[in-house]
Amino acid sequence: QSALTQPPSASGSPGQSVTISCTGTSSDVGGSDYVSWYQHRPGKAPKLMIYEVTKRPSGVPQRFSGSRSGNTAFLTVSGLQADDEADYYCSSYAGNNIHVTFGGGTKLTV
Amino acid sequence: EVQLVESGGGLVQPGRSLRLSCAASGFTFDDHVMHWVRQAPGKGLEWVSGIGWNSGSIDYADSVKGRFTISRDNAKNSLYLQMNSLRPEDTALYYCVKDMGLAISTSPDVWGQGTTVTVSS
Repeated sequence: QSALTQPPSASGSPGQSVTISCTGTSSDVGGSDYVSWYQHRPGKAPKLMIYEVTKRPSGVPQRFSGSRSGNTAFLTVSGLQADDEADYYCSSYAGNNIHVTFGGGTKLTV
Repeated sequence: EVQLVESGGGLVQPGRSLRLSCAASGFTFDDHVMHWVRQAPGKGLEWVSGIGWNSGSIDYADSVKGRFTISRDNAKNSLYLQMNSLRPEDTALYYCVKDMGLAISTSPDVWGQGTTVTVSS
């Protein structure tokens, strides 16, 4: 039950794009349609930003997009805004019907 | 509006027990997998346990297996986490999380505000 691997930090200037990676294995990220991304601001509940690798929940700006290549998933934030500054976590279904694995989190600085 | 409200956290001595509760509203509770996820101070999110809609599927993180028990009461729209033999490393903010899935976990989507558990002598 190893955590997914994310870079500890990422940064970009307002208006730029940044991509955060999430590396797992063929048993989770690479073999599952259920990869999600969350935005977590201090003192707030985590917010779902991307689900099923590429889908955006209602209300999430189109600036947020998800993709995957092999065992690595990616979250891209385009047109960075100051409000995007937060911790971002990926998660993946990891088998046994119920098991979920999270990444270690990436602190995004704008 | 979907709401998840956790309760039951507090300060407890190592080796003692605590029971967390989560009251759900705004959605059909027994149509969804539910989870407990925690965040220790200064650390990332850690999945703790999950339970299917009819309690037929249950799983735990290795770090809590044998000590924690997840359960649900669909008649009361409530999720529970019985935590026994608590350790200082169990100190964390515990979140109740709704999943999009019914029988298997697909995408945890809605999170409560969390309840704090502190294990210390």
